[in-house]
Amino acid sequence: GQNIDQPTEMTATEGAIVQINCTYQTSGFNGLFWYQQHAGEAPTFLSYNVLDGLEEKGRFSSFLSRSKGYSYLLLKELQMKDSASYLCAIVYGGATNKLIFGTGTLLAVQP
Amino acid sequence: GAVVSQHPSRVICKSGTSVKIECRSLDFQATTMFWYRQFPKQSLMLMATSNEGSKATYEQGVEKDKFLINHASLTLSTLTVTSAHPEDSSFYICSARRNAIAKNIQYFGAGTRLSVL
Repeated sequence: GQNIDQPTEMTATEGAIVQINCTYQTSGFNGLFWYQQHAGEAPTFLSYNVLDGLEEKGRFSSFLSRSKGYSYLLLKELQMKDSASYLCAIVYGGATNKLIFGTGTLLAVQP
Repeated sequence: GAVVSQHPSRVICKSGTSVKIECRSLDFQATTMFWYRQFPKQSLMLMATSNEGSKATYEQGVEKDKFLINHASLTLSTLTVTSAHPEDSSFYICSARRNAIAKNIQYFGAGTRLSVL
């Protein structure tokens, strides 16, 4: 089966840096996504990692270690609008490439 | 690009009625679309994988006769909740994966909040 763990909630200060961790156990790993979801809205794509290492995209970076079953999302220069849930999702399922989502981390950015 | 439109955004219905939700990829073709369900403060749970021109693949525990999926074209998939009951009240979200793109990125619709009275 598959199992994904993320912290339930985090709080950070505007302008700071925050790291959201995700650990997973799965058979048939085909990549890992991070999505951002504001309350009552659809998830929006942030990053995709399939190989080990760091992917940087503006204020957001994502890291993957396949051997450790570990990823993190790094958010720099936090803004109030970054307050949202951050969902870690792994790709599995062979040709279908389905996503299984973690429970999400609710990030609150405070002034 | 990569816009997914989902309609309606909100629906309130009486118990026993059927509700149809549409998911459209507006600017790309999607052989594969996915339907998720999300309860408050929980993550997305995959219900089924919708394949254009063939039967949908349902996840374990999801009743295929209850949640009818039709994927008649490369840009449209529909989910029909048949004989809806209050326990079916939830946030339903669709996603679409672009054809001919190596990455497995799924683009999500805005979701449909279903309330069954």
